[in-house]
Amino acid sequence: KQEVTQIPAALSVPEGENLVLNCSFTDSAIYNLQWFRQDPGKGLTSLLLIQSSQREQTSGRLNASLDKSSGRSTLYIAASQPGDSATYLCAPSGGATNKLIFGTGTLLAVQP
Amino acid sequence: EAEVAQSPRYKITEKSQAVAFWCDPISGHATLYWYRQILGQGPELLVQFQDESVVDDSQLPKDRFSAERLKGVDSTLKIQPAELGDSAMYLCASSLETGGVYEQYFGPGTRLTVT
Repeated sequence: KQEVTQIPAALSVPEGENLVLNCSFTDSAIYNLQWFRQDPGKGLTSLLLIQSSQREQTSGRLNASLDKSSGRSTLYIAASQPGDSATYLCAPSGGATNKLIFGTGTLLAVQP
Repeated sequence: EAEVAQSPRYKITEKSQAVAFWCDPISGHATLYWYRQILGQGPELLVQFQDESVVDDSQLPKDRFSAERLKGVDSTLKIQPAELGDSAMYLCASSLETGGVYEQYFGPGTRLTVT
């Protein structure tokens, strides 16, 4: 059974810092991995999807990497801004139905 | 930009009552998902449809929950009777297979409070 762990559970940084969020998963037989952002009381916004054959994906100030063999993914946020404050969730997909399994998320607060 | 629509956004109901949620996926997306998210946790898949067929409902409490997608487009999730432990955010998502990849897009969710 796939288990997903995200470290740290919470993070507070001053504006402008670069930061890394970590995600680990126990079953390396995944199809892809998605990173999402969730604002309080809202739905999920897809940030990046990395296919199992890829090593990284970039979108603006975000860069996600994937090391499938070791069961790890990282989300790098450059030059953080207060608007980046949210919960970040990672979710590898796998199994016959390409099912997403979510971690509990990292709550990020960027202080102005 | 196309979005997944959900209604209602908020629902308060008393335990033992029936409640229903509606989801309209992005046009053309064949796969539809219902998730439940308890406060402080990540979403958990309840049911997955491919067109009008259920492909995964292994985590759906079938004694009280039901889901349908009769014409393979919009979907309804029902709880009857609601219990206090059902208080959560119910999220709908949809995806389109592109080159073997299913990127999921989520709606705004329905916040359910059972009193």
